[in-house]
Amino acid sequence: DTEVTQTPKHLVMGMTNKKSLKCEQHMGHRAMYWYKQKAKKPPELMFVYSYEKLSINESVPSRFSPECPNSSLLNLHLHALQPEDSALYLCASSQEQRRAYNEQFFGPGTRLTVL
Amino acid sequence: RKEVEQDPGPFNVPEGATVAFNCTYSNSASQSFFWYRQDCRKEPKLLMSVYSSGNEDGRFTAQLNRASQYISLLIRDSKLSDSATYLCVVTLNTGGFKTIFGAGTRLFVKA
Repeated sequence: DTEVTQTPKHLVMGMTNKKSLKCEQHMGHRAMYWYKQKAKKPPELMFVYSYEKLSINESVPSRFSPECPNSSLLNLHLHALQPEDSALYLCASSQEQRRAYNEQFFGPGTRLTVL
Repeated sequence: RKEVEQDPGPFNVPEGATVAFNCTYSNSASQSFFWYRQDCRKEPKLLMSVYSSGNEDGRFTAQLNRASQYISLLIRDSKLSDSATYLCVVTLNTGGFKTIFGAGTRLFVKA
């Protein structure tokens, strides 16, 4: 099984809502990533978890809160978002973070619209 | 200067053509290199890792030049299905391994 799954596929939320994005992988990978991608731009790294611990936080605003409940699951909790946060949110996983060739496998993404 | 730079294109080529993309990186702490492809409104998918010795996978050949700090991707005998955005990806070893994507090069292959 070489698949990363993400739910929901689409999400529309108001600026006062609280929602969560979910990501799951069953490849035994120990590194998981959240990226944000705006239209016609490359993915931008937000967070990295390595062995279920937060390893990298790319100065992401606190309205985005990641969580890694176990080695297979990664959540992104959203609260008080702004319209400019509308984007495709991609989850990825790799065998490990701290190795040279850490090929990452991406989920299909959640397309988020903030009204 | 961007850490990873690519020509955004678009490259418009006929079927059967050979096309090459280059990507330059600025940080000498760059440890590993990849090409991903991304179709419109889809996730990036790994095309190939790029090793110092160069590597080939069917119609695709990737090269790495550490001295000049660039990587390349050559696509031979282009197919319509090769139309996509090609993303150059670099992993930096700066204490933690951080992944940086280039802005991507758009390729259109036409019949």
